[in-house]
This record gives sequence, C-alpha cells and structure tokens, in this order.
Amino acid sequence: DTGVSQDPRHKITKRGQNVTFRCDPISEHNRLYWYRQTLGQGPEFLTYFQNEAQLEKSRLLSDRFSAERPKGSFSTLEIQRTEQGDSAMYLCASSLGDGEETQYFGPGTRLLVL
Amino acid sequence: SQKIEQNSEALNIQEGKTATLTCNYTNYSPAYLQWYRQDPGRGPVFLLLIRENEKEKRKERLKVTFDTTLKQSLFHITASQPADSATYLCALEVSNYQLIWGAGTKLIIKP
Repeated sequence: DTGVSQDPRHKITKRGQNVTFRCDPISEHNRLYWYRQTLGQGPEFLTYFQNEAQLEKSRLLSDRFSAERPKGSFSTLEIQRTEQGDSAMYLCASSLGDGEETQYFGPGTRLLVL
Repeated sequence: SQKIEQNSEALNIQEGKTATLTCNYTNYSPAYLQWYRQDPGRGPVFLLLIRENEKEKRKERLKVTFDTTLKQSLFHITASQPADSATYLCALEVSNYQLIWGAGTKLIIKP
C-alpha cells in the first residue's frame, strides 16, 4: 500500500505522560501536514513541513507539542505532559508540492488522555 | 479572522435525488477551495478542487461551484446513492498551501 500510514492507530495514556505519533507519507511527496480533529469539527491545522523544514506552526500549538521530519521522509509528533484536552484524532497528510495542492490523509491516530 | 461555515445539521436526501451542500466563508480571498469526504473513523479523502478563476468543476456525479463575490461554494451530488452517505468537508487555501477547514456537513442518503 503506497498511501499515508500512521502509527499507532489508537493510544490511551494517563494525564502527564508523553506520547509520540509517527506518520509515513507517500514516498514522493514533499509536503507533510499534521492536523488535530475533534468530534463534529473539521481538521485543525497544527504544522507542516516542506521536506525536512518545518515551515509553519499554528499559534494554537502549545510548547508541549513538537514535530520533526528529520530526513524529509517520515515525521513524528510528540505531545509532552498530556492533558485531557489533548484527546482527539491526530491526522497526518501529505502532498506532492510544486503546485499540486491535493492532500492525502492517513487513517489518523486516536488519542485518549485519562 | 477567517471563518468557514457549513450546515451543521445533517442533510437527509432520498436516493436518486440531488444533494446540495453549502460552504460559506468570510474575511478571505482563497486562491482555491477543496471538497473532501470523510467516513467515520477515517481520514478525509479528496474529491474536487476549484480555483478562484473557475466557476464550476465536474467529476462524474459531482459538481462544485465557486462564487468569489458571494464567498460561497456549492457541492452537488446527482443521482445520490446510499454509499454517498458521509460527512463532506470544505477547505480553503489561506497561504502557502495551508488549508483551513469547515466543520463538515453530514449527508444521509435514504434508500
């Protein structure tokens, strides 16, 4: 399967713990996006990468969130000191870039913070 | 700030009829607008993109219109089928390929 993959698909953690999610984009895609989605809402932009460079980060993203894309391929999103309000679906998407704007989404990681 | 509005109530349509979904936005002039479909527990799937200089775009049973004066896009599914039941999201390009998203409209096609 050459689509976007995310791991894990589900994560349950206790408040205060750190969690890390992984996203593997479509191989030739230069751009990678992270979103957060809660029930009944659309995806909320968190950050995006052009190759390994993190070009934009949402002002809504607290310092507890960090993302990396070290080699311009897979990406990780880490949440430190999780809070109950972090419970959501975390979506990763990739796009070809170079004027191709269609975003291809992974299945998401559903996070529940107890 | 930019705001996108989609009908928050579910839209119930009889099979075979045309479903029309609305996306209204304020305070921005996007270069393009996209429509996606999302099924429960899955990521959104791209359907159509329409640019600011295009009035209408079609793909099989789907049609999208874009009125930059009214700041509105309409999404039509003709000859609707129960398999079209899903949540449909509109997304606007705001800068450097960054999208902002509506909350989506849940479409239910009844047999």
